[in-house]
Order: sequence, then structure tokens, then C-alpha cells
Amino acid sequence: NAGVTQTPKFQVLKTGQSMTLQCAQDMNHEYMSWYRQDPGMGLRLIHYSVGAGITDQGEVPNGYNVSRSTTEDFPLRLLSAAPSQTSVYFCASSYVLRNSPLHFGNGTRLTVT
Amino acid sequence: AQSVTQPDIHITVSEGASLELRCNYSYGATPYLFWYVQSPGQGLQLLLKYFSGDTLVQGIKGFEAEFKRSQSSFNLRKPSVHWSDAAEYFCAVNYGGSQGNLIFGKGTKLSVKP
Repeated sequence: NAGVTQTPKFQVLKTGQSMTLQCAQDMNHEYMSWYRQDPGMGLRLIHYSVGAGITDQGEVPNGYNVSRSTTEDFPLRLLSAAPSQTSVYFCASSYVLRNSPLHFGNGTRLTVT
Repeated sequence: AQSVTQPDIHITVSEGASLELRCNYSYGATPYLFWYVQSPGQGLQLLLKYFSGDTLVQGIKGFEAEFKRSQSSFNLRKPSVHWSDAAEYFCAVNYGGSQGNLIFGKGTKLSVKP
């Protein structure tokens, strides 16, 4: 089983550029989410989705867009990258019940110069 | 606002010694509690979880955690640490509603001395 797959693993962007971080899961999970991890800050929720066509904002949504057209995929878009978006990004999925543990991808390390 | 606190940013223990990592959550109805581990360059992996019932829960890799309602704590323990346990550990709490309400602590980095 692939689990949660994130691409790319590393990315360098210039300020103002756009890009999409890809996330796919093969576990038929309804819930998918994006977190960013910064030193000393733990994980902060950016956006999440409880099913195809349904998305909602997390704690730090500004500067990011998401969509969920299929159960399997949940891409994260940076429309105009800023140095403050330099971070490690994790996609996670689970069943929708709040007692379901999250399954994480291996992360995307993004640097914005 | 509801929160999760991991008071220790970095802990160093000797291999073979016991380990306790602390986690405190803000007061409320019994939340759903989780511990995750993150090895360098990897995503997080679930160690154990607690929802109800026996307050001492067993997890993978020989870890256990005890829920203490009176202290609003969910501390992670291991009797004898192995060098491969060096990683960052995150406590997470869901106070209710949806999975979108899951809150992570800031993490405790564990170093293991040979």
C-alpha cells in the first residue's frame, strides 16, 4: 500500500511564483488535510476536507487554496509564494470520525527566496 | 482557547533509561488523545490513542501512556529507551466536532545517549 503520497519532496520558489503541492491517498479516506511544520511551532492546520467537493479553512489558511474533486486527491496551491511560506508541508488523511488516527505523507520541504 | 502543552522542548536520556514525555491539555470534556512520533525526514506515525475506558493505553514500539483526568495530562512513557527512539514526539488532542479540530502540541525532541 502506498498510503499518503506527496510530491514533490523538495521545492525552491522565488517570491511571487505559484505552485501546487500534490497529495494522493489510496485508503479511501474521507478526511484529508494539509499542515505546515515550522521549528518550535508544531503542526498547524492550513485547510482540510471531509469529502469530495467540501473544503474548509484551518488555523493558517491565508495564501493557500485547496480543492477536492476526488476522494483520492487533495492538492494545495500557493498562488503567490512569500518567504513566510518557507516550511515543511504535510498532507494527512483519515476516516472522518474524530477518533480515527491521521496517516501522514513524508512531507514537502518548500523554500521561498 | 483550547490548547495542548508539551512543556519539554528537548529531552536527552541514556540508552536503557526510562522515559516520560509530558502532555497537558486544557480543561474540558474528555477529549480524544493521541501521541505521534516523527523520525527525521519523515511524516508522523501514530504511537497510541485514548478515547475512553482503561486509562493506561499501550502503543507500538513498547510505549504506553496514562490519561489522568484530575491533572489534565496524557504522559507518554517507555521503561527502557533504545537509540532508535530518538525522534520528535507530538501530543495531539481533539476536543470535539470534526477531525479539523485536532490540535497538536509543539513537540518534544528526544535525544538518546549511548
